Amino acid sequence: QVYLVESGGGVVQPGRSLRLSCAASGFTFGSYDMHWVRQAPGKGLEWVAVISYDRTSTFYADSVKGRFTVSRDNSKNTLYLQMDSLRVDDSGTYFCARVLATYSLDHWGQGTLVIVSS
Amino acid sequence: QSALTQPASVSGSPGQSITISCTGTSSDVGRYDLVSWYQQYPGKAPKVMIYKVTERPSGVSHRFSGSKSGNTASLTISGLQAEDEADYYCCSYAGRRTDDYVFGTGTKVTVL
Repeated sequence: QVYLVESGGGVVQPGRSLRLSCAASGFTFGSYDMHWVRQAPGKGLEWVAVISYDRTSTFYADSVKGRFTVSRDNSKNTLYLQMDSLRVDDSGTYFCARVLATYSLDHWGQGTLVIVSS
Repeated sequence: QSALTQPASVSGSPGQSITISCTGTSSDVGRYDLVSWYQQYPGKAPKVMIYKVTERPSGVSHRFSGSKSGNTASLTISGLQAEDEADYYCCSYAGRRTDDYVFGTGTKVTVL
């Protein structure tokens, strides 16, 4: 059974930093590209970032480029999202998701809530 | 990269068929046959219902089907059931340039 469990969310002031984690189990983590997707309260899904299975490639949404960094530790089966210079509009639930070779996100975590507020 | 355009809401009676459109551009939906559709209940994680435009994952009802024409993809739900009431999002691969993936604006499906 595939499990993805996000953690690290919370309330943070604008301009500060936060690091999210996504613990994976039930599959060979190091064989899959992984994504972060977020959802502002009451709003739609927004793709945030992707990291390749071997950490050689990362891509970001324009809205977070230069502020967020995605990384992974395959020895710990864990995905990370370092979020710096946080803005109010970064608030929302952050999901990690596994992507298949079919380019579909087939398993998602339950999400972790980030609130950026002064 | 702008979000793909979906109708805000679609409704239908039990047993009817509904179709949700998803309009992108020649850089995403029109360029790649890599559109997927996700169902999301309130407070829950999304679930993939369709991938690669028309493919259905194991366990997803045959009542869900996908198609694409030009820059517009569509999700059809046949024999609408109460459990189909949820939010639906399309998503397209957009190439490894700027935004790798782009989601649709989302559609609320209501079963009357």
